[in-house]
Amino acid sequence: DIQMTQSPSSLSASVGDRLTITCRASQDISNDLAWYQQKPGKVPKLLIYSASTLQSGVPSRFSGSGSGTDFTLTISSLQPEDVATYYCQKYNSAPLTFGQGTKVDIK
Amino acid sequence: QVQLQESGPGLVKPSQTLSLTCTVSGGSISSGGYYWNWIRQHPGKGLEWIGYIYYTGNTYYIPSLRSRLTISVDTSKNQFSLKLTSVTAADTAVYFCARNWGSIDSWGQGTLVTVSS
Repeated sequence: DIQMTQSPSSLSASVGDRLTITCRASQDISNDLAWYQQKPGKVPKLLIYSASTLQSGVPSRFSGSGSGTDFTLTISSLQPEDVATYYCQKYNSAPLTFGQGTKVDIK
Repeated sequence: QVQLQESGPGLVKPSQTLSLTCTVSGGSISSGGYYWNWIRQHPGKGLEWIGYIYYTGNTYYIPSLRSRLTISVDTSKNQFSLKLTSVTAADTAVYFCARNWGSIDSWGQGTLVTVSS
């Protein structure tokens, strides 16, 4: 099965900072990758699908890029409401594996 | 807008069977086009996708649970279900049901299931 590896596992940044989270697949998954945001005690929310397509209603400070095995989620200007754990997920074929998550907080 | 809602016991004894149902509203499971998933999250840990079912009954389970897990669908009730046998404390988690075609676009609220005597 394809493994999904995210880095870093956690990060702390200041409001207004630019953040990048990386997700690496152990095999080529084309652009069949999604990013989710999960705030504490809440249901995960879809941010990006097809590696770079912003889900409707998601702020434009979020962006995604990559294809094949290497993907990134970028927050262009971190806001207090972005404190959350972010997960990538592959969906090219089952199993629909998640990355281990990246916890983002404010410095 | 489709809505999903998990239901089932919040406490299960070790060695017994964990049974959950996901009721779908605002859309029909049998209309096709979507897979119906179960995902769990151990306390303080990440998301673990454990399996899905299509309305035709086709399923996929992750290898580590394949011997204990059954996902079924009841299109007449617009529900799908999870059964996990021989549970241990390691199965204590929040269990989410969800819908996907590609990415997951709809989630249930999640239900905490604790395995304890």
